[in-house]
Order: sequence, then structure tokens, then C-alpha cells
Amino acid sequence: EDQVTQSPEALRLQEGESSSLNCSYTVSGLRGLFWYRQDPGKGPEFLFTLYSAGEEKEKERLKATLTKKESFLHITAPKPEDSATYLCAVWGSGGYNKLIFGAGTRLAVHP
Amino acid sequence: DGGITQSPKYLFRKEGQNVTLSCEQNLNHDAMYWYRQDPGQGLRLIYYSQIVNDFQKGDIAEGYSVSREKKESFPLTVTSAQKNPTAFYLCASTSRRVSTTNEKLFFGSGTQLSVL
Repeated sequence: EDQVTQSPEALRLQEGESSSLNCSYTVSGLRGLFWYRQDPGKGPEFLFTLYSAGEEKEKERLKATLTKKESFLHITAPKPEDSATYLCAVWGSGGYNKLIFGAGTRLAVHP
Repeated sequence: DGGITQSPKYLFRKEGQNVTLSCEQNLNHDAMYWYRQDPGQGLRLIYYSQIVNDFQKGDIAEGYSVSREKKESFPLTVTSAQKNPTAFYLCASTSRRVSTTNEKLFFGSGTQLSVL
């Protein structure tokens, strides 16, 4: 069964304290792994797409990496404005065409 | 600016009432989706449509209905049969038909539905 699991559920950081969020996935024939950022009461905002193991993408303080079983979202020297829920998703396999989401990691960055 | 517009932002449903959530996109995308989001859970697929006048059930379609009469529009009706409708509803779209796509979804800003 296709599945996406994110950890931790919640993470509290001090401003400037770097850390990583994890996304583990099981799917046959990966058609892309996606990271989104979601602020309270808003729709998810696209961050990155990763297609193959070893691929890396960067944007400001965020860096996403991909292996054959998991992806990491590294946050370097975070600021309070990085506080949000980060969602990971993959396209399902077996003809059931949907983007499968993890439950997300709630990140809080305190000054 | 191109994007997905959802309305209303907040909606309240009375017992036994059907309510309709609007979703309009001007991205010229073929595929459109409705997801439901509950606190602490991942987004769950309600319905999706790959082409006008065609749509498929997702994981939690019971108590919901949709239509796709125009490429730009994919309204969702929450019927009285949906006994626990309180949730955040998200509409999304992508340019290709889902069977072949590896592209990202674009999301609207969401509708929060609550029961009175």
C-alpha cells in the first residue's frame, strides 16, 4: 500500500537552530516527491519537487534531499517566519491516481 | 494573475442542509481535485476530474457530490448524508491527466466548513 509518513509531528526550534524534517515513503515507481508549506487557514504552497535518489533542491534556508526510501527537508538557521506546517506528498501507484500526503510536521521557530 | 479561487472562505451548514463550495481556476488545467483536511491528518482525496463531464471518486466520496460542466470550474456539494462535515476543504489542479502526470498540484486558499 502506498504510504507517506512524516516525522516528527511537531518541532520547536530557537531562531538560528538548524534541524531536519523527515518524510518516509513507500510507493512503486516514484513519479515525484513534493514538499509544500502550509500556513494556518491557507492552502499549501509548493516548495520543491524531487524525482530521483540523490537529487537535491535549495531555496533560501531550505534544502530538500531524496533517497530511495525517504526525503529530508533541512532548515538552516531558521527564522520565526519559517514557522508553518510542512507537507510531503507522492503520486500514488497502481492506477489510483492521487497525490498521497503525509500528516505534516508543525514547525515553530521562536526568537 | 493565474490561480485557483475558492469561495467562500468560511461556510456554515445547518442540520439537513446541502452546501456547495466553489472552485474556479484560470490556469487552463485539465485535472482538478477536492481534498479534505482534518487536524493532525494528511489531506484525503474526495473526488477528482480529468476532463469536462467526467469525475472519479476518491477515498472519502460518501456524502459528497461534484460536477465538471466547464474546464474552469469544479464545485463540491456537501450533502446532508455527510455526518461529520466540519473540516478544511482544498481544491487543487494540475495540467496533465493524472495517469501520466509527475507534476505538482496547485492549491486554492481553502474553505473552512463548520456545522451550526
